[in-house]
Amino acid sequence: GESVGLHLPTLSVQEGDNSIINCAYSNSASDYFIWYKQESGKGPQFIIDIRSNMDKRQGQRVTVLLNKTVKHLSLQIAATQPGDSAVYFCAEEDDKIIFGKGTRLHILP
Amino acid sequence: GAVVSQHPSRVICKSGTSVKIECRSLDFQATTMFWYRQFPKKSLMLMATSNEGSKATYEQGVEKDKFLINHASLTLSTLTVTSAHPEDSSFYICSARGPNGFAKNIQYFGAGTRLSVL
Repeated sequence: GESVGLHLPTLSVQEGDNSIINCAYSNSASDYFIWYKQESGKGPQFIIDIRSNMDKRQGQRVTVLLNKTVKHLSLQIAATQPGDSAVYFCAEEDDKIIFGKGTRLHILP
Repeated sequence: GAVVSQHPSRVICKSGTSVKIECRSLDFQATTMFWYRQFPKKSLMLMATSNEGSKATYEQGVEKDKFLINHASLTLSTLTVTSAHPEDSSFYICSARGPNGFAKNIQYFGAGTRLSVL
């Protein structure tokens, strides 16, 4: 069946460096993807989204890249800060959201 | 941005009792609300989708008589865990989506409810 997953369960990044979190999806018909951030003990927070008619979208300090050929999605966080520590989920949404497994981002001082 | 309030944030109950969790959209009308369950260090699993005024649609494997969902108004949905047992202990999260076209159809999430059944 379709699934949305992430390559790495944990990513450690030096404060100030850029972070890249990757995601693979299996449903080639998917046309809407979202990245969420979840801090400990809280609900997911919308970060950025992208539709399949785009391959790149930028927000404040974040960029999402979509490669439909290999069904790959990535989230880039520029100048990573301590407040970026969280679990990041990619998700695919049609009428409901299917969450990937999540990547925990650790910020090293 | 749109705000979704979930209450209580934490509840501890005895085995066999029922627990009600509320999910409210504070500044928009939520035509659809979703309930998720999350185990420690795991992803969110969709339990059910509820549309205002109609019965909830449950995902495969979720017992509708165990997890009662009511979406009686455009701003409130409730999840009742009936006859709770220790295996029901989990983090329950709701989300809400406004009418078609509202806020790009984004789902807004509550802060979650940590349920511990003794």
